[in-house]
Amino acid sequence: NAGVTQNPKFQVLKTGQSMTLQCAQDMNHNSMYWYRQDPGMGLRLIYYSASEGTTDKGEVPNGYNVSRLNKREFSLRLESAAPSQTSVYFCASSKRAGYGYTFGSGTRLTVV
Amino acid sequence: QQQVKQSPQSLIVQKGGISIINCAYENTAFDYFPWYQQFPGKGPALLIAIRPDVSEKKEGRFTISFNKSAKQFSLHIMDSQPGDSATYFCAAVPFGNEKLTFGTGTRLTIIP
Repeated sequence: NAGVTQNPKFQVLKTGQSMTLQCAQDMNHNSMYWYRQDPGMGLRLIYYSASEGTTDKGEVPNGYNVSRLNKREFSLRLESAAPSQTSVYFCASSKRAGYGYTFGSGTRLTVV
Repeated sequence: QQQVKQSPQSLIVQKGGISIINCAYENTAFDYFPWYQQFPGKGPALLIAIRPDVSEKKEGRFTISFNKSAKQFSLHIMDSQPGDSATYFCAAVPFGNEKLTFGTGTRLTIIP
């Protein structure tokens, strides 16, 4: 079982460039999430999707967009990357709201 | 605004000792309190969780103690082992809510 798969694992961007972080889960989970992890700040919710076709903002949505492509896939897009978006990004999924998250292994993004 | 406060930020415990990590919350709507364990280069993984209708939950060497009146909960790791060295996150979420809120994390190191 793959669980939650994230791509790429590492990325370096120049300020102003755009990119899309990919996430896919094979557990038939309804809910999917994007978090960012920064030292001393824990994990902060960027966006989430409670079901296919719906997305909602989390705690730190500015500078990001998301797409719930289908039940399996949830992508995160940075339209114009900024150094403040240097972080480790985690995708997660759960069968029902708030419970038993399964996380991917993360994407380490550096914006220079 | 940090809704779940976690302490200490880092903790060093000798092998065989008891590791204790504490969390406090303000939102009385929280009704599910999980702990996640994260090893370097990996995503967080669900370790143990508790609902506020019980004061304690034990799974092997890991115990959550919950004090509803004080709005505090803690993770106890008995007979700590070097393999327990990881970062631990407490979290909380209201029933049926997608927005799981994480603490800032505790980096635990078990020394021989």
